[in-house]
Amino acid sequence: EAQVTQNPRYLITVTGKKLTVTCSQNMNHEYMSWYRQDPGLGLRQIYYSMNVEVTDKGDVPEGYKVSRKEKRNFPLILESPSPNQTSLYFCASSYLTSGSYWMGTQYFGPGTRLTVL
Amino acid sequence: QQQVKQSPQSLIVQKGGISIINCAYENTAFDYFPWYQQFPGKGPALLIAIRPDVSEKKEGRFTISFNKSAKQFSLHIMDSQPGDSATYFCAVQGTTDSWGKLQFGAGTQVVVTP
Repeated sequence: EAQVTQNPRYLITVTGKKLTVTCSQNMNHEYMSWYRQDPGLGLRQIYYSMNVEVTDKGDVPEGYKVSRKEKRNFPLILESPSPNQTSLYFCASSYLTSGSYWMGTQYFGPGTRLTVL
Repeated sequence: QQQVKQSPQSLIVQKGGISIINCAYENTAFDYFPWYQQFPGKGPALLIAIRPDVSEKKEGRFTISFNKSAKQFSLHIMDSQPGDSATYFCAVQGTTDSWGKLQFGAGTQVVVTP
């Protein structure tokens, strides 16, 4: 089954304790991205990756790190989490089309609900 | 720096009615305008999308209308059904130098009453 998986699904942690949220896709997609979802703000892009070893900042990258060493995995790292990073996090992936426009459908994972105390 | 303004925040419509959600963007450098649908406890899923070289796209009961000069696009849900009750997000995607960048509106919660 084609899917994007995230782990863990729920996490409660304390300020300053490094954590990693994993994201994996089995569709051989080049593009992967991380978002956070907060009430009243919609989804905001944190980082994205157009391919292995190619990453770029979204709108809210502060406090986050990513890496793309393999095509299927795109982990999100919070080196020193703070309470304002409490949020619902989504990973997504997509294929990249050739031509002038990127028309790939983004497939989202089930989400990771993170609480930082 | 939210460049996409979505309205209304919430919407209640009777079964069989029309739901209309509007989005306005501030930057002209966008190439792709998708709408996503999200059910409680799930990740968003692509519903329908439009490119800026067309003014309207229809897929079943869902239609996107796009007005490039006004920098606005809207989602129309015809013959709304209770199963359409969800949160809807519009989004804009960057152009050649920033294909990977996506910005979303704040979302519209749609409730369809029986």
